[in-house]
Amino acid sequence: AQSVTQLGSHVSVSEGALVLLRCNYSSSVPPYLFWYVQYPNQGLQLLLKYTSAATLVKGINGFEAEFKKSETSFHLTKPSAHMRDAAEYFCAVSGLTGTASKLTFGTGTRLQVTL
Amino acid sequence: NAGVTQTPKFQVLKTGQSMTLQCAQDMNHEYMSWYRQDPGMGLRLIHYSVGAGITDQGEVPNGYNVSRSTTEDFPLRLLSAAPSQTSVYFCASGSNYGYTFGSGTRLTVV
Repeated sequence: AQSVTQLGSHVSVSEGALVLLRCNYSSSVPPYLFWYVQYPNQGLQLLLKYTSAATLVKGINGFEAEFKKSETSFHLTKPSAHMRDAAEYFCAVSGLTGTASKLTFGTGTRLQVTL
Repeated sequence: NAGVTQTPKFQVLKTGQSMTLQCAQDMNHEYMSWYRQDPGMGLRLIHYSVGAGITDQGEVPNGYNVSRSTTEDFPLRLLSAAPSQTSVYFCASGSNYGYTFGSGTRLTVV
């Protein structure tokens, strides 16, 4: 069984401030973890992924996430928010059962960036 | 361009009507899946497939049917539409190295 919990359905930051979006996972097998971004009225775009290599993962648009097994967390961060980062962010987990398995999502965090 | 293609983009159905949402991918992925997205609930898995001829239920399968006769196609059938099926539907394909999503189908059932 696997699940994802995203703390905070809405996060608001000022432009230039640190972005921190929280994700905790539960998985009975070593997980693969993903962050996706969804801009208004669009599909989902992969930001970054953890696939059991380096625990600090760098993605697109200046985002990064750190896999912490002891905390079962995979929080997403960006040092300096930009207006264009306003979107909904989803954390997801899949299990290591072959090359493909179910991808389970959290409920999402909507990021608002203010001037 | 390689990717996941969903059709139609928008659809309005009357209660009780049936329809099929189409999904096709040209990346030779074994895994394909269907999600529905509702406000505050994230993306919930409806059905998924790990290869041609193999399908399984996800979190919210009731009222939906799927089949996988080829690697490329994974259609989602609504047998008798209900207002509770009003949602945005996404198809995805990929592997543990990354999943690609279609642009979605916005379905309204009246």
